[in-house]
Amino acid sequence: DAGITQSPRHKVTETGTPVTLRCHQTENHRYMYWYRQDPGHGLRLIHYSYGVKDTDKGEVSDGYSVSRSKTEDFLLTLESATSSQTSVYFCAISESVWAMNTEAFFGQGTRLTVV
Amino acid sequence: TQLLEQSPQFLSIQEGENLTVYCNSSSVFSSLQWYRQEPGEGPVLLVTVVTGGEVKKLKRLTFQFGDARKDSSLHITAAQPGDTGLYLCACPPYSGGGADGLTFGKGTHLIIQP
Repeated sequence: DAGITQSPRHKVTETGTPVTLRCHQTENHRYMYWYRQDPGHGLRLIHYSYGVKDTDKGEVSDGYSVSRSKTEDFLLTLESATSSQTSVYFCAISESVWAMNTEAFFGQGTRLTVV
Repeated sequence: TQLLEQSPQFLSIQEGENLTVYCNSSSVFSSLQWYRQEPGEGPVLLVTVVTGGEVKKLKRLTFQFGDARKDSSLHITAAQPGDTGLYLCACPPYSGGGADGLTFGKGTHLIIQP
């Protein structure tokens, strides 16, 4: 199994509070991603990183920010959590995006509930 | 972003039956991947198809890529309870440049009843 650890695995937080989710990899892969998974919507890309301090927005980035200060760590921050951000969040890594047989490896997910 | 349509959305069948699930797009795929996700876990890659008309087999699972590279199917023969899960198709960024992540379909929820 690819070495990807997400923390925490579960979190309940109140509306308006800041929340940071952490993704840690031991594979030294260049690319890291944050997705959210919701019923009826599937997996949607929030933000991604293509190197240390190199990040960009995905499909559903509003209300989220990310940081990558080291190759192995990719942080997702909800500056002021809202109920619409209740979801399961997945971190993924890959060596390359454009190679035909590139595989994305996923963490086990973080279940976030905003009350 | 390329839109991937998966069907059916839900499928519940008895152990031993055969089934096929589909992934379609109005655009041409450069390649396509199938992932399986079990409850409480992240998706895990099953296969990547690249060439139009390509067929790949993984034990009882047969993956086919359409000749025009706009559709793909996953056929399971003699389904078993262990095949239960969410099956997702995904494609890489549609256009060159940038490092956007994979685009996923909404998935097919498959339940195999003993």
